[in-house]
Amino acid sequence: GENVEQHPSTLSVQEGDSAVIKCTYSDSASNYFPWYKQELGKGPQLIIDIRSNVGEKKDQRIAVTLNKTAKHFSLHITETQPEDSAVYFCAASIGGGSYIPTFGRGTSLIVHP
Amino acid sequence: DVKVTQSSRYLVKRTGEKVFLECVQDMDHENMFWYRQDPGLGLRLIYFSYDVKMKEKGDIPEGYSVSREKKERFSLILESASTNQTSMYLCASGQGAFPGNTIYFGEGSWLTVV
Repeated sequence: GENVEQHPSTLSVQEGDSAVIKCTYSDSASNYFPWYKQELGKGPQLIIDIRSNVGEKKDQRIAVTLNKTAKHFSLHITETQPEDSAVYFCAASIGGGSYIPTFGRGTSLIVHP
Repeated sequence: DVKVTQSSRYLVKRTGEKVFLECVQDMDHENMFWYRQDPGLGLRLIYFSYDVKMKEKGDIPEGYSVSREKKERFSLILESASTNQTSMYLCASGQGAFPGNTIYFGEGSWLTVV
């Protein structure tokens, strides 16, 4: 089955810096890659996603890139703010049928004021 | 907005008790999931369901069962709770077919077994 590796497990940055979280996947059939943000005491919330026919997607300060050949995708957060502090999860899945995403183990992002 | 509601946010149960965790979604989604979240282990799939009365085992089904009698409701059952089942439990729902692959999570249920 699919295996998703996520790095780093913890990331500490100063406010205003950029943050990058990287994930690799094993199944070349995977074609959908969502990213979730989980704030303390809450459930994960979808923040951005990308499909395999797109190489990059941006939404304000966050962007996701996908390299299908290398089977890795990354989350980029620019101009980080303290409210960006959370656990971020990447996931990979094969669309269609009984959709089951495989999640990475999560990255704890800490943004210091 | 999609709403996935977990009825109990915090529970404390005794070893050996039968525990029910309830989840309701309001988007007519076909698929529903139960995950367990533990520090350092990420999100691990316990069970999922792609239709009423249908269920499939995930990665860690041992000690758990599920029930889906109505499309909007998916219950997780701990037949005999044990201390190693102390964890945060997350319910999720989503459409099955591409492009509706996004799944949406509830707020989580914190279960402590003493």
